[in-house]
Amino acid sequence: EVQLVESGGGLVQPGGSLRLSCAASGFTFSSYWMSWVRQAPGKGLEWVANIKQDGSEKYYVDSVKGRFTISRDNAKNSLYLQMNSLRAEDTAVYYCARDGAVVHDYWGQGTLVTVSS
Amino acid sequence: DIQMTQSPSTLSASVGDRVTITCRASQSISSWLAWYQQKPGKAPKLLIYKASSLESGVPSRFSGSGSGTEFTLTISSLQPDDFATYYCQQYNSYSRFTFGPGTKVDIK
Repeated sequence: EVQLVESGGGLVQPGGSLRLSCAASGFTFSSYWMSWVRQAPGKGLEWVANIKQDGSEKYYVDSVKGRFTISRDNAKNSLYLQMNSLRAEDTAVYYCARDGAVVHDYWGQGTLVTVSS
Repeated sequence: DIQMTQSPSTLSASVGDRVTITCRASQSISSWLAWYQQKPGKAPKLLIYKASSLESGVPSRFSGSGSGTEFTLTISSLQPDDFATYYCQQYNSYSRFTFGPGTKVDIK
C-alpha cells in the first residue's frame, strides 16, 4: 500500500524557516517524480514544487522561487521542502504527492504550516 | 502561464442527479488534464487523468471528456459520497502544474 506521511509543520514567525519531510513507503520511491502541493485555509490547491527521480531537475511555482528548496533522499525514501523567508501567505496545509505519469496519483494527509507573529 | 477556470463555482444537486462541471484552459493543453475530488479535511483524490482516463478504483459513474481548452467532468448519477469539491488541473509538462479554482457540489 502506497503511503506518504508528512511532518515538520507548525507555527513560525514571518521571515522564519521550516523544513517539511515526507516519508514514503509501499512503492519504489526512486522511480517517481514527487511534488509538494499546498492549500491555504478555505482556499484551493496550489502546486508548489516537484523533483525528478534522481534530483537532477526541480521546478517551483513563481511565488516560492528563491525561498523554498525541494530535495529528496532516495536511500531514506524521503522528500523534503526547505522553506525560508516565510510569509503570512505561505500559511497552508502542505501535501506531499507522488507524480505517477505526471499526475498526482497518491497524496499524504498533509501538514499545517502557520506563519504568524 | 496557463490559467484554468471552472464553472460553476458551486453546484447544488440531489442524489441521483446527472452533474456536469466545466473546466477551461487559457490555451490548448491537448488532453493533459486531471480531475480531483476533495472532501473537507482530507487530501485530494485523483479521479480522471489525460482528460478521460478513469483512475483505478474510481466508480464508473465518473467520466471526463474534452481536449484543447474545454473539458468536462460528469457524474452520471450523484451519490451521497460524491458531495465534495472538485478541481481540474493541467499538467502539460513536469515544470508547471495549474489547478482550477474548484467546484463545490453540495446537497440541494
